Amino acid sequence: DAKTTQPPSMDCAEGRAANLPCNHSTISGNEYVYWYRQIHSQGPQYIIHGLKNNETNEMASLIITEDRKSSTLILPHATLRDTAVYYCIVRLPVDYGGATNKLIFGTGTLLAVQP
Amino acid sequence: AAGVIQSPRHLIKEKRETATLKCYPIPRHDTVYWYQQGPGQDPQFLISFYEKMQSDKGSIPDRFSAQQFSDYHSELNMSSLELGDSALYFCASSLFNPPKGNTIYFGEGSWLTVV
Repeated sequence: DAKTTQPPSMDCAEGRAANLPCNHSTISGNEYVYWYRQIHSQGPQYIIHGLKNNETNEMASLIITEDRKSSTLILPHATLRDTAVYYCIVRLPVDYGGATNKLIFGTGTLLAVQP
Repeated sequence: AAGVIQSPRHLIKEKRETATLKCYPIPRHDTVYWYQQGPGQDPQFLISFYEKMQSDKGSIPDRFSAQQFSDYHSELNMSSLELGDSALYFCASSLFNPPKGNTIYFGEGSWLTVV
């Protein structure tokens, strides 16, 4: 699975959009981009995933560049409860030839939402 | 919606004792994963099971073993506990091979303290 690079920390004002970048320059054609977050000492929480197209759900939007070498997770209106470590993970699903389905966590971005 | 259930949520054991953690996956999920997260660290993959067979193995110590039962729940057995085993242990579950890339859902974790 391709490696990802994320800034170690970011700040965001409450109510503003939080834009979390992720670099995955070695991503292969069938690898998905997943985003999870972990609020302190809780289980990692699934946010969103995508392959090529931008995706949006009730939690966030995922913008993937055309060359797929980077992506941005957007939390449209950050709240204090969004303070967490955000993980960007690239993974090849089993049905596309991946060996297994496990997630490998990197260091993530600590997003601190300020009041 | 039903989530991944882990028990116990907190466990205190002495060195050289044995501990067993249980995990009940989301209904109809056939794959279970175990992760270990030490203080200040990112979650580390230990082992996974698909249809009661080990599907992948990570950095799981030889003192640890796990299995998945016919009802798809899983147990992580840890023997000869060491102080360094003190950590948050997460179980996660997913479908093995759904369309559009599968999503892994995590439980809230079991805190193990070895004294």
